[in-house]
Amino acid sequence: QKEVEQDPGPLSVPEGAIVSLNCTYSNSAFQYFMWYRQYSRKGPELLMYTYSSGNKEDGRFTAQVDKSSKYISLFIRDSQPSDSATYLCAIIPSYNTDKLIFGTGTRLQVFP
Amino acid sequence: DGGITQSPKYLFRKEGQNVTLSCEQNLNHDAMYWYRQDPGQGLRLIYYSQIVNDFQKGDIAEGYSVSREKKESFPLTVTSAQKNPTAFYLCASSMVGGGTEAFFGQGTRLTVV
Repeated sequence: QKEVEQDPGPLSVPEGAIVSLNCTYSNSAFQYFMWYRQYSRKGPELLMYTYSSGNKEDGRFTAQVDKSSKYISLFIRDSQPSDSATYLCAIIPSYNTDKLIFGTGTRLQVFP
Repeated sequence: DGGITQSPKYLFRKEGQNVTLSCEQNLNHDAMYWYRQDPGQGLRLIYYSQIVNDFQKGDIAEGYSVSREKKESFPLTVTSAQKNPTAFYLCASSMVGGGTEAFFGQGTRLTVV
């Protein structure tokens, strides 16, 4: 079983839709949770970072963590064509805080 | 501007040759990482280093080597022992400890011809 599972997609939605991207993880020792966005042929860039259960909002983006279910989500409201990218969840375990464990990434396409 | 610079952006290698990918950062970060990205597999950790002159193997270190002679630099050598080297390689850096976020370079696309 992979430590972090993420549906690779692709996910195709119309402009203005609410997008839900999800990851599950297997180890309760995982402590820090991040979402990265990666445009084609570019390096990933950090979108959201959280270390506690609950919601964290930044503009159109909301990161949600449910530690009891080992489930993390990223919601994008009012999606735009410029949101078309691959979204990677990343987790840092408490037993090695210098190690990032990535999901496979979900490819999102927002069409006008 | 602070950041991470990877070079070259595209690299072609003949089978049996070693090739070195460059990664430089001016963020004053102690930790640096190399990842490999293949379609449908996400990012897999090759090597990482938390301090100068020290580094650890990641999940897929076979066929790769690194050095960390300077804090700013963490070059990756893809050796002829790497059976399937064609991939997108990403370098990242972060502060040591505390679960801080990693910042990435723009990647090097290596193709074996």
